[in-house]
Amino acid sequence: QKEVEQNSGPLSVPEGAIASLNCTYSDRGSQSFFWYRQYSGKSPELIMSIYSNGDKEDGRFTAQLNKASQYVSLLIRDSQPSDSATYLCAVDMDSNYQLIWGAGTKLIIKP
Amino acid sequence: GAVVSQHPSWVICKSGTSVKIECRSLDFQATTMFWYRQFPKQSLMLMATSNEGSKATYEQGVEKDKFLINHASLTLSTLTVTSAHPEDSSFYICSGLAHEQFFGPGTRLTVL
Repeated sequence: QKEVEQNSGPLSVPEGAIASLNCTYSDRGSQSFFWYRQYSGKSPELIMSIYSNGDKEDGRFTAQLNKASQYVSLLIRDSQPSDSATYLCAVDMDSNYQLIWGAGTKLIIKP
Repeated sequence: GAVVSQHPSWVICKSGTSVKIECRSLDFQATTMFWYRQFPKQSLMLMATSNEGSKATYEQGVEKDKFLINHASLTLSTLTVTSAHPEDSSFYICSGLAHEQFFGPGTRLTVL
């Protein structure tokens, strides 16, 4: 069974702090990993993609991938109230562009 | 990122009628598009994969005769919910594949 696991939260973080979101996946051979942000009532928006072990930084966002441990994480620095949303982890396990989705982690940034 | 539009953004219809939802890739050609459904407080559920010029591939449990998908051009895929019932009320979202999946804004369907 192909699965992507996320803690549903909510994860509450003070404004200005670092928010850390984690995701584990079942298929060791997976190659492509994605983080999407979804505001309530809206569709998902691609935040980060990562394909190689290590860190990938884009502005306040850093994605971290560890294929040996089968986890991928998303760090949000200097968290802002506008970062409050549900963050979805998605993995392409079969290299066919079909994504296996986690249930999402609800993040709340408290002013 | 690539831009995908959907129309309509919301629709209310009577039980038994059919509803068509359009998904367009605005600045890229999408050979492949995906259709998802999302119920409140739940994650995305993939309904089908739509490939231009060929029949869609439906996920297990999704009725292909009820959810008709047409992908006649590289920029347009349509989903028709036939004989809609209240249990079909949901948030329908498409995505276009441009190396990564880029989502349309979604269509909220309410069946009375």
